[in-house]
Amino acid sequence: ETGVTQSPTHLIKTRGQQVTLRCSSQSGHNTVSWYQQALGQGPQFIFQYYREEENGRGNFPPRFSGLQFPNYSSELNVNALELDDSALYLCASSLPSENTEAFFGQGTRLTVV
Amino acid sequence: DQQVKQNSPSLSVQEGRISILNCDYTNSMFDYFLWYKKYPAEGPTFLISISSIKDKNEDGRFTVFLNKSAKHLSLHIVPSQPGDSAVYFCAARSNYQLIWGAGTKLIIKP
Repeated sequence: ETGVTQSPTHLIKTRGQQVTLRCSSQSGHNTVSWYQQALGQGPQFIFQYYREEENGRGNFPPRFSGLQFPNYSSELNVNALELDDSALYLCASSLPSENTEAFFGQGTRLTVV
Repeated sequence: DQQVKQNSPSLSVQEGRISILNCDYTNSMFDYFLWYKKYPAEGPTFLISISSIKDKNEDGRFTVFLNKSAKHLSLHIVPSQPGDSAVYFCAARSNYQLIWGAGTKLIIKP
């Protein structure tokens, strides 16, 4: 059974650029959630995908978008990067049951300069 | 507005003693609470959870207590071990998302 893996682990981008982050979910998990964790804060929910459709969204602007593929892997895309987008981006996979814990990847550290 | 609060940014405990981490929440509609542990350069790992219909859940050295009237939960670790040094997050489930506290850094002193 493989865990949740994210790529890349670190990334530096320039303000205004676009970035794509990738996540492979844990085997058997069809629900993927993305979180942004700024320094010194807890993770903030961005959105969740279930069976290739967005299933819920947090308070993030439309320039944050995502995809889920038939194998349940997922991408997070951020357009028009801003300095405040610098953060750790975490992907979590789970089963859709309400009382199932989410399993997290190691995160992608994005720095916008 | 922070719906989940961890008011202690850090906590230092002697090895072998009890560690108590606290978490307060404001939304009475939360029906499931979780504790995660995070080491540097790793993603959070699930520790223990509790449903809102219970007031206690125990798993080995870890026990979570829920006081719904006070909207407060706590994580007890006993005995504390050096490997417990990490950042601990409490999270509350609301529909499809987890609402997280800011975390408490636990330091276990030898």
